[in-house]
Amino acid sequence: QVQLVQSGAEVKKPGSSVKVSCKASGGTFSSFPINWVRQAPGQGLEWMGGIIPIFGTANYAQKFQGRVTITADKSTSIAYMELSNLRSEDAAVYYCARAGYCSGGSCYSGGGFDYWGQGTLVIVSS
Amino acid sequence: DIQMTQSPSTLSASVGDRVTITCRASQSISTWLAWYQQKPGKAPKFLIYKASSLESGVPSRFSGSGSGTEFTLTISSLQPDDFATYYCQQYNNSPWTFGQGTKVEIK
Repeated sequence: QVQLVQSGAEVKKPGSSVKVSCKASGGTFSSFPINWVRQAPGQGLEWMGGIIPIFGTANYAQKFQGRVTITADKSTSIAYMELSNLRSEDAAVYYCARAGYCSGGSCYSGGGFDYWGQGTLVIVSS
Repeated sequence: DIQMTQSPSTLSASVGDRVTITCRASQSISTWLAWYQQKPGKAPKFLIYKASSLESGVPSRFSGSGSGTEFTLTISSLQPDDFATYYCQQYNNSPWTFGQGTKVEIK
C-alpha cells in the first residue's frame, strides 16, 4: 500500500522560506509524478507544481514561478517543496499527491492524484 | 489556464437521495477529469479518473460521466459517509486546475 508521509507543521515569518518533505513508501517512487497542492483555510485546492523523480525536472504553476522549488531524491524516496518569500496569504495546508490510478490490481502513472500525504500546516506570522 | 466551475456550491440532501454535481470546463478537456471527496481536516480522496472510471476500492454508488466541457458526478443513493465536499480537477493542460468545490450537507 502506497503511503506518503509529510513533515510536521511549520511557523514562519513573512519573507522567510519553508521546505516541506514528503516520504513515499510501498510503491515505485521514481516513475510516478509527485505533485504539490495547497489549501488555504476554508478554501479550495490549488496545484502548485509537480515532478517526475526519474526525470528530475519540475513543472510549476505560473503563479508560483520563481518562488517555489520542487525536488525529489530517488535514493530516499522523498520529495520536497520549498516556498520562498512567504507572505500571509501563503498560510495553508500543503499536500503532496501522487499522480496515478489503480485498475485491476495494478497502478499506472499519470492522471488524477490517487495517493495524498496527510498535509502540512504552514502558518505565516510575524 | 482552464477554469473549472462546479454547481451547485452547496447541496442539501437526505440519506438515500440520488445526488448529481456538475463540473464545467472553460475549454474542452476531452475526458481528462478526476473527482475527489474531502472531509474536514483530511486529505482529498480520489474517486474517479478519466471522467468515468472508478478508482479501485471506491463504492459503485459513485459514477462519473461527460466529455469535452461538461461533466457530472452522481451518487446513486447517498450514504451517511458521503456528506463531504467534492472537487473536480482537469489534467488535460498544465496547470492542473480544480473546481471550487461542492459541499454536500445533511438536509
